[in-house]
Amino acid sequence: QKEVEQDPGPLSVPEGAIVSLNCTYSNSAFQYFMWYRQYSRKGPELLMYTYSSGNKEDGRFTAQVDKSSKYISLFIRDSQPSDSATYLCAMTGMDSSYKLIFGSGTRLLVRP
Amino acid sequence: KAGVTQTPRYLIKTRGQQVTLSCSPISGHRSVSWYQQTPGQGLQFLFEYFSETQRNKGNFPGRFSGRQFSNSRSEMNVSTLELGDSALYLCASSLGETGYNSPLHFGNGTRLTVT
Repeated sequence: QKEVEQDPGPLSVPEGAIVSLNCTYSNSAFQYFMWYRQYSRKGPELLMYTYSSGNKEDGRFTAQVDKSSKYISLFIRDSQPSDSATYLCAMTGMDSSYKLIFGSGTRLLVRP
Repeated sequence: KAGVTQTPRYLIKTRGQQVTLSCSPISGHRSVSWYQQTPGQGLQFLFEYFSETQRNKGNFPGRFSGRQFSNSRSEMNVSTLELGDSALYLCASSLGETGYNSPLHFGNGTRLTVT
């Protein structure tokens, strides 16, 4: 079983829809959680960075962490065709002995 | 501020050859990590350097090696290339060590094709 599980998709939604992307994990020591967006032929771009549980909002993006369920989410409001990309979750523990573990990514397609 | 720069962007090599990839981190960043990305395996951690010292290493054979220079620039080397080494190699930098309390910023990668 992988430490971080992420549905590969693809997830296809109409423009303007609310998108929900999710990851589950098994290591209760994970404390730092990130979401990256990767366009084709580009490197991953950091979208959201959160510590421990709770919500964090940045424009149309909201990151949510539920440590009791070992479940994290990224919500995209008013989705745009330019949001079409692969979204990767990533997480790590409290000190430098932990490696950053990535999910396999969810491919999102926002239809005009 | 300039982002992470990786050179070259594309590379075609023959099985058995060796290759060196280069990475210039964001100015002021002292940590550089390398990842291999393939459609089947996703992002896999290769190694991380902080202040010229290797701090963490992934589960890759000894053919994969790296180093970091005093100006934080980094190189990775793959010797005796195999077909399975074909991948996108990504370099990422951060202010502190490996992503913990200091998120990674990625370059656009070097696409290596081994024929």
